[in-house]
Amino acid sequence: AQSVTQPDIHITVSEGASLELRCNYSYGATPYLFWYVQSPGQGLQLLLKYFSGDTLVQGIKGFEAEFKRSQSSFNLRKPSVHWSDAAEYFCAVGARTSYDKVIFGPGTSLSVIP
Amino acid sequence: NAGVTQTPKFQVLKTGQSMTLQCAQDMNHNSMYWYRQDPGMGLRLIYYSASEGTTDKGEVPNGYNVSRLNKREFSLRLESAAPSQTSVYFCASSEGGIGGYTFGSGTRLTVV
Repeated sequence: AQSVTQPDIHITVSEGASLELRCNYSYGATPYLFWYVQSPGQGLQLLLKYFSGDTLVQGIKGFEAEFKRSQSSFNLRKPSVHWSDAAEYFCAVGARTSYDKVIFGPGTSLSVIP
Repeated sequence: NAGVTQTPKFQVLKTGQSMTLQCAQDMNHNSMYWYRQDPGMGLRLIYYSASEGTTDKGEVPNGYNVSRLNKREFSLRLESAAPSQTSVYFCASSEGGIGGYTFGSGTRLTVV
């Protein structure tokens, strides 16, 4: 069975600074990988996904993530954070089996200082 | 572009009461899911439906039942609510296979 860890429960960055959110997964094969963002009181929105091919994935809102097989990681990055990026971020892993059940990490809460 | 619609948005139940959470999607997706979200625990899968006419248990199915009414609708029922079921419930859908989920805006349920 797959699992996901997000080592940082909460991160605070200044507006305009760069951001990296960490995600580590456990799975016996190459997984499907996702990052979602949740604004307060809202559902989750898909930022980006990795299935195969290029290990650097571009997403919406200026986010990117890099799949590193050797480190079992899929870290999310953004070069310059905006105040509107303050939200909860969830990494998720899906199993490459006959059905696409997805396991979510516990989330990282991002605060942005003006 | 409604996407995934959940009703109600908020609900307070007394212990032992029953209720049904409704979910409908208009994207012609095959697969639908119910998750619960609790602080510090991420989202946990309750039940899912790979396609119309099929349902399967997820990680935390106890105390819940589901019905895939048709391709659009997937309901979640609490037969006898307990305080441990206080949570935010999210419905999601996907095309199935590879693809990300589209989530509804959630139902905040409190059981007292």
